Amino acid sequence: QVQLVESGGGLVKPGGSLRLSCAASGFTFSDYYMSWIRQAPEKGLEWVSKISSNGSTIYYADSVKGRFTISRDNSKNSLYLQMNSLRAEDTAVYYCAKEGYDRRPMDVWGKGTTVTVSS
Amino acid sequence: DIQMTQSPSSLSASVGDRVTITCRASQSISSYLNWYQQKPGKAPKLLIYAASSFQNGVPSRFSGSGSGTDFTLTISSLQPEDFATYYCQQSYSTGSTFGGGTKVEIK
Repeated sequence: QVQLVESGGGLVKPGGSLRLSCAASGFTFSDYYMSWIRQAPEKGLEWVSKISSNGSTIYYADSVKGRFTISRDNSKNSLYLQMNSLRAEDTAVYYCAKEGYDRRPMDVWGKGTTVTVSS
Repeated sequence: DIQMTQSPSSLSASVGDRVTITCRASQSISSYLNWYQQKPGKAPKLLIYAASSFQNGVPSRFSGSGSGTDFTLTISSLQPEDFATYYCQQSYSTGSTFGGGTKVEIK
């Protein structure tokens, strides 16, 4: 079945780095745009970054631009988020999501991985 | 950036009630509007895409309407499993944005 599984979350000190991964299965990963979305504790959803199917086009939210880098390896059916210069406000559950074709909804979500930035 | 404003932020309703949630965009987004349901501790689930199209497996009591800047999600007869938080999302611009969410609670 179609599935996304995130990993790599954890506790990190302010200013530190972390790399999240998202393993895809059950669909042709290389055909779809992919996104990262996060949700701070007791808060709403915030889109973080998006990457095109071949990795050539990338977008970031202003809140993470210059600190986070999205990438993908289609040979490994995997999506990544390299997070540097982490701040307390980056504390959140991070979800990866597959983007559908018609009007680009996020039609498949992973269960999320938790990132906590604290000293 | 396109801002998405949802209302109400929360509501209390009873099983069987008709519930309507609204979402307003700060500029026209055509029909690039999607609705998600999220239960506590779970990932969001796509309900409606392109403003009014059903995602596979979504019960027919859910419906979406609107275009341009004003959209609605309607639950025709609220069921116990529908108590959750609902989010709208615009996918018109490259930087997607979500509404603040509407928490539907049991009255």
